[in-house]
Amino acid sequence: EIVMTQSPATLSVSPGQRATLSCRASQSISSDLAWFQQKRGQAPRLLMYRSSTRATGIPARFSGNGSATEFTLTISSLQSEDFAIYYCQQYNNWPWTFGQGTKVDVK
Amino acid sequence: EVQLVESGGGLVQPGGSLRLSCAASGFTFSTHWMSWVRQTLGKGLEWVANIRDDGGVIHYVDSVKGRFTVSRDNAKNTLYLQINSLRVEDTGVYYCARDIHSVHEDWGQGTLVSVSS
Repeated sequence: EIVMTQSPATLSVSPGQRATLSCRASQSISSDLAWFQQKRGQAPRLLMYRSSTRATGIPARFSGNGSATEFTLTISSLQSEDFAIYYCQQYNNWPWTFGQGTKVDVK
Repeated sequence: EVQLVESGGGLVQPGGSLRLSCAASGFTFSTHWMSWVRQTLGKGLEWVANIRDDGGVIHYVDSVKGRFTVSRDNAKNTLYLQINSLRVEDTGVYYCARDIHSVHEDWGQGTLVSVSS
């Protein structure tokens, strides 16, 4: 099973500032990585797939990068609605696996 | 608009069973792979199983093999998850998701399964 490790666990950022979240895979997953955003009491929402392709309706301030084992999600200028938990997930090898999440909160 | 509505969750004793349903609308259900994903306190988000559009291929995570069975009825636009031999660690919210090229594109609101004596 591929283990996905996210860092940091919590990221405190001021509104308008940049946030960079990391995700590492225990073995190469090519670019088969998705990012999800989850707010309290809601289902996860797809942000990004194939490492760097934004899902429908996702603002351009979200960008993804990386391949093989190292990936990043960047939010260029945090808006109030972006404070949430972010998860990465690999879909290269069964079973598909998620990271433990990074909580982005207000500094 | 894609809609996925889960139901069937509840409180059950260890060793018990539940059948979860996911009613789909707003897309051609019979042409999409579908997944079940759960969120538990112990493991966070965990992909549980998925099923091909025609039901002919199914994958499970090892921890549920032999206890969980996923199925679908394309005539009813409904996905199912039969959960047997429930354990305390199965407690969590169970989501169904529409998959596009292996990506969980759309999610339902989830149904809560609580396993306790």
